[in-house]
Amino acid sequence: KAGVTQTPRYLIKTRGQQVTLSCSPISGHRSVSWYQQTPGQGLQFLFEYFSETQRNKGNFPGRFSGRQFSNSRSEMNVSTLELGDSALYLCASSSLGTSGRNEQFFGPGTRLTVL
Amino acid sequence: GNSVTQMEGPVTLSEEAFLTINCTYTATGYPSLFWYVQYPGEGLQLLLKATKADDKGSNKGFEATYRKETTSFHLEKGSVQVSDSAVYFCALSDSGGGADGLTFGKGTHLIIQP
Repeated sequence: KAGVTQTPRYLIKTRGQQVTLSCSPISGHRSVSWYQQTPGQGLQFLFEYFSETQRNKGNFPGRFSGRQFSNSRSEMNVSTLELGDSALYLCASSSLGTSGRNEQFFGPGTRLTVL
Repeated sequence: GNSVTQMEGPVTLSEEAFLTINCTYTATGYPSLFWYVQYPGEGLQLLLKATKADDKGSNKGFEATYRKETTSFHLEKGSVQVSDSAVYFCALSDSGGGADGLTFGKGTHLIIQP
């Protein structure tokens, strides 16, 4: 079974631009979560989608948004990029809607650099 | 809110040494606890988990026991190998049924020298 895939793997943007990252979950998984990883703040939860609905959102500004399609693939968008948005963005999928007791499988991440 | 505290390191050990990485947590409910490992340039892999008090998770020689009385989930391995060099993250997830995502510690960078 193929794992979680994320595209692109690396991305360089300039301040003020917007960016869209893509995540394809493991086949059959309906829940997709997004995390931001930075050296200073560590791993922080952005949001989770289940069956095309956002179930919860972390403490990030409205510039960060996402969506999920009917095939469970998910995209996240960051508008008006700031230097502090430079990070590794990780996507994780799981088979059930809650992330409580169910294992989340992580993709390799998209490394975003904002210049 | 929920939080996880773990030693950040780097932790440097010789091959075949005993490993302990401490992890303590604060949670409002009865969380599930996880250890994830991240190798250079890769995403996170689940190493082990425990979903209720006194459960012991184990995998690849690593073990951790869910201690509710001390709110801890320390990671141990009896004899480490060079290939264990990686960053280890302790994490919790609220078991209340909501999709709040995982709360991670800052990560512990482990370096094993031959």
